[in-house]
Amino acid sequence: DIQMTQTPSSLSASVGDRVIITCRASQTISTYLNWYQQKPGKAPKLLIYAASSLQSGVPSRFTGSGSGTDFSLAISSLQPDDFTTYYCQQSHSIPRTFGQGTTVETK
Amino acid sequence: QVRLQESGPGLVKPSQTLSLTCTVSGGSIRSGIYYWTWIRQPAGKGLEWIGRMYASGTTDYSSSLRSRVTISADSSKNQFSLRLSSVTAADTAVYYCARGGGGDYGHYYFDYWGQGTPVTVSS
Repeated sequence: DIQMTQTPSSLSASVGDRVIITCRASQTISTYLNWYQQKPGKAPKLLIYAASSLQSGVPSRFTGSGSGTDFSLAISSLQPDDFTTYYCQQSHSIPRTFGQGTTVETK
Repeated sequence: QVRLQESGPGLVKPSQTLSLTCTVSGGSIRSGIYYWTWIRQPAGKGLEWIGRMYASGTTDYSSSLRSRVTISADSSKNQFSLRLSSVTAADTAVYYCARGGGGDYGHYYFDYWGQGTPVTVSS
C-alpha cells in the first residue's frame, strides 16, 4: 500500500495568512493526488484533483502543486471558513489511501 | 445534482455483520464512467478507504478488510451496499459512501459524498 504522510499535523494561523500543507507519498504517484477539506461533522469536500486542478466552485485561493512523491496545498489568504482539516489522497493505486490530515487552527 | 444517502443500523453487536446501504439520486449507478466507494472514519481520526465497485460488478477492497468486506449493488433501486462481517469495536466509525468520478487521463477522485452514518459496535 502507498503511505501518504502529511506535514504538519496541525498549524496555527491568522485570517489573511498564506499557509502551505505538504503531502509525501511513499512511492511515486505522478500527479494522481487529490486534496479534500473536511469540516467537523461533515463529509469531506473535494478541493483539488490531479495534483493541481481546481474543482469547480472552489475558491482560487486554494492551489495545489507537485508531482512524483512530493505535493503541497497552498491557501493564499486564509478566510474564516478555511480553519478546518485537510486531507490528501492518492488515486494512483489500489487501495486508495489518505494522509492523516492537517488541521488549520486559529492563532 | 447527484446525491448519496447512507442508511442502516447505528448499533451492531460484536461478531455480527454490519450492513449499510447507499441510495444514489440524480445519477445512475449503472453508468460505466463512475465507481462507487465506501470510506470510514473513526471518531477523531483520519479517513480509511474500504473498497469500491464498478457498474460491471468489479470490486476492489482494502488489504486489511478484504477477508470481511463485500460491496454489491442493486441497480433496480439505484443503491449499493456494504457488508462487513465479524465486527469488533475497532470497526466503530462514521461510514461514508462516495462516487468515484473524473477519469480524465486516469485521474479519479471522490466528487460526491453522502453525509455519513455513525456505526457503533457494542454489546
